[in-house]
Amino acid sequence: DVKVTQSSRYLVKRTGEKVFLECVQDMDHENMFWYRQDPGLGLRLIYFSYDVKMKEKGDIPEGYSVSREKKERFSLILESASTNQTSMYLCASRGRLNTGADTEAFFGQGTRLTVV
Amino acid sequence: RKEVEQDPGPFNVPEGATVAFNCTYSNSASQSFFWYRQDCRKEPKLLMSVYSSGNEDGRFTAQLNRASQYISLLIRDSKLSDSATYLCVVGYNKLIFGAGTRLAVHP
Repeated sequence: DVKVTQSSRYLVKRTGEKVFLECVQDMDHENMFWYRQDPGLGLRLIYFSYDVKMKEKGDIPEGYSVSREKKERFSLILESASTNQTSMYLCASRGRLNTGADTEAFFGQGTRLTVV
Repeated sequence: RKEVEQDPGPFNVPEGATVAFNCTYSNSASQSFFWYRQDCRKEPKLLMSVYSSGNEDGRFTAQLNRASQYISLLIRDSKLSDSATYLCVVGYNKLIFGAGTRLAVHP
């Protein structure tokens, strides 16, 4: 079974703190994603990465950065946490089949971040 | 306009009912299509992939119309355990999620 593991289920941080959310996958997937999910807005893509040291902005990258130094690990960084970044954060990974087609995305269990 | 649009619901249906969800997408270059299911406070999980020829998995049938940029999910003989949010997902180099459609199946 594919396993995508996020470092924390629940996190409480203060405004202005630098926050690191870690995600590790064990299936050697090329693609990794960070989403945030808010009521009524669904999942919104923050950043994604299709290879080590590669990153692409998603739809809402402002206030966030990412790091992918190793294939299995994709980190989301909140440079200076603000209350409007209180949300559920979901990491996902996606591989590639021999046919060249991409697999479905597999999700971590989510990190519920509260910024106070 | 959102890239992937779904009716948010909620759909409240009795057990045994047939229910259909629709989804439209705006990017004609999209290559992969999925329906995910998300239970309350849990991560999304794949329900089924969607192929141009249409595909069925038990009580679930998915259809794709590339010309109209439209995806559907049909659930027959609804069960209480089908209550969840159903997410339409469209992919090219990234995956874009619809906001989800809530389904509540009651006795």
